[in-house]
Amino acid sequence: DSGVTQTPKHLITATGQRVTLRCSPRSGDLSVYWYQQSLDQGLQFLIQYYNGEERAKGNILERFSAQQFPDLHSELNLSSLELGDSALYFCASSGISGGSTYNEQFFGPGTRLTVL
Amino acid sequence: DQQVKQNSPSLSVQEGRISILNCDYTNSMFDYFLWYKKYPAEGPTFLISISSIKDKNEDGRFTVFLNKSAKHLSLHIVPSQPGDSAVYFCAARYGGSQGNLIFGKGTKLSVKP
Repeated sequence: DSGVTQTPKHLITATGQRVTLRCSPRSGDLSVYWYQQSLDQGLQFLIQYYNGEERAKGNILERFSAQQFPDLHSELNLSSLELGDSALYFCASSGISGGSTYNEQFFGPGTRLTVL
Repeated sequence: DQQVKQNSPSLSVQEGRISILNCDYTNSMFDYFLWYKKYPAEGPTFLISISSIKDKNEDGRFTVFLNKSAKHLSLHIVPSQPGDSAVYFCAARYGGSQGNLIFGKGTKLSVKP
């Protein structure tokens, strides 16, 4: 158990809809990262937040947005969903907790999104 | 353009033998490299890492080698066990201690009893 939690585990929705994925980082971790894994693809970095502020953006579509709240949990909002958005979405966190440094990111179990 | 490449989508090894997973990268600014292991329906699990200033890091059965001149790293698993069967992702970091990871597409390792 990495200590990172994600909800929901599975999400099935229709094209054009909007969904919100939630992530709680490990206790004390300030950085949260979102990744997308499509079929036969590696993990694509979407966006990073550090202590409530957006720190870096990767290949994130304009239809997608995220935020990190004062309690450090994060939400990824996906809107105007398309069939191609079906993927696994992972959240990861990093920080200084449990003796680790910022070098490693610890991943949650993911949310599987299916757009029909 | 893929900055981190794992050219072997799959690898099959006999139990007890060595597994060698390879990874190539193109960006000389990467300062840290990591290997993650992923089982189906689970998130990636951190396995082992290496700083760009080192050429080897060992942790039990797992050793990572880094050849900066060749922009190549490898993960050695000795001896391989059936429980090692999983997808292994190589990742490279840029941007310092809070930087971001670029992942390869993964290599599926099958260890046969």
